[in-house]
Amino acid sequence: DTAVSQTPKYLVTQMGNDKSIKCEQNLGHDTMYWYKQDSKKFLKIMFSYNNKELIINETVPNRFSPKSPDKAHLNLHINSLELGDSAVYFCASSQGSLAGGLGTQYFGPGTRLLVL
Amino acid sequence: AQSVAQPEDQVNVAEGNPLTVKCTYSVSGNPYLFWYVQYPNRGLQFLLKYITGDNLVKGSYGFEAEFNKSQTSFHLKKPSALVSDSALYFCAVRDIGTGGFKTIFGAGTRLFVKA
Repeated sequence: DTAVSQTPKYLVTQMGNDKSIKCEQNLGHDTMYWYKQDSKKFLKIMFSYNNKELIINETVPNRFSPKSPDKAHLNLHINSLELGDSAVYFCASSQGSLAGGLGTQYFGPGTRLLVL
Repeated sequence: AQSVAQPEDQVNVAEGNPLTVKCTYSVSGNPYLFWYVQYPNRGLQFLLKYITGDNLVKGSYGFEAEFNKSQTSFHLKKPSALVSDSALYFCAVRDIGTGGFKTIFGAGTRLFVKA
């Protein structure tokens, strides 16, 4: 069974479109994350949710809107896609609160977004 | 602010030889350090972490890392490299200040193991 899954795996779209990426974890974790990995493989956190509440919101354009319907899901919606949004987006989860914030993060396989 | 540095973009080693992937850190409090590995077209996989205790931490796939407080380093090591170890390795530090939920990653080091 996949611990952290993301859909879709690949996403090719035109500039200006709106798209969503979904993430689900079956590990029972209470904290979920979105990371962006650029073409140089640099990995940066975008958002983090703990028990469905937003706790980290890095300097990300407000075209990016995360949504956590429950602890097992964290979706990412992107409005008005731009060329610079092309990247690999990784979802991750960890047991945050009980581990004092030091729980190991488990990553999904990534969603490769290409904006044309 | 917390940060990690991986001074080498790439490390080349022959199969069977020991390998070291370097990482130095800068933190304002106690360091909470992690190593992750990323294989091509895959997500990151946890290798090991240092929270407290023994300075030598053992992890998955025969990897270990040594925490050195005086040198603010957390180098990843393996006594005998395998071709299958070829991947991208990330050192990371957990920023406990923001509720403990923010991980800051280094730029990554690509390891090539030649047969």
